[in-house]
Amino acid sequence: QLQLQESGPGLVKPSETLSVTCTVFGGSIRDTSYYWAWIRQPPGKGLEWIGSIYYSGSTYFHPSVKSRVTISVDASKNQLSLRLTSVTAADTAVYFCARKEIVVLPSAVDGFDPWGQGTLVTVSS
Amino acid sequence: IQLTQSPSSLSASVGDRVTITCRASQGINSYLAWYQQIPGKAPKLLIYGATTLQSGVPSRFSGSGSGTDFSLTISSLQPEDFATYYCQQFNSYPLTFGGGTKVEIK
Repeated sequence: QLQLQESGPGLVKPSETLSVTCTVFGGSIRDTSYYWAWIRQPPGKGLEWIGSIYYSGSTYFHPSVKSRVTISVDASKNQLSLRLTSVTAADTAVYFCARKEIVVLPSAVDGFDPWGQGTLVTVSS
Repeated sequence: IQLTQSPSSLSASVGDRVTITCRASQGINSYLAWYQQIPGKAPKLLIYGATTLQSGVPSRFSGSGSGTDFSLTISSLQPEDFATYYCQQFNSYPLTFGGGTKVEIK
């Protein structure tokens, strides 16, 4: 059963760079049947999709962070990474990674599943 | 594409039938998923393709709708169903979520 596990710094200073990784267990990040995503949730608020990456390298980002975000895959470590530069307090959130099946057949699961447990990153001096 | 959920919160009793709606600002065909989130946990996929129940999800959950208007129904609320529910569209980028509906115990 595929499991995802995020890890992050916990605390980042304003204007610095936030880096979070997601390690994939029980499956391969190379599987081209899926793509991967980062989603965040500020404390007490709703969910916000940040961006997605296909193994081919194609990426899609939310316009609100597009100029500051990098998402990459390290196949040798079976990891997904998120970098967000010039952070502010508004970037304080729980950061989740998730997998999404690429819909080709009617039987495809067209939703984010599974998700990691999330990692809280607080932006504060 | 904006997704507007209603209500934002509701109080219900065990055994009640509960319906949550999600309205899209433009047509999204059936590219809609529903998630359940218990406090402190990651969201869990309940329904995708607007109507398809994810494997392992109890049959008391059901989804309906297409185009711009969707709903999630819990036919008989159970104690473990008290949570926040989110809709999400996969029709086009940027992917978006609804604001959430918190289901509380009456």
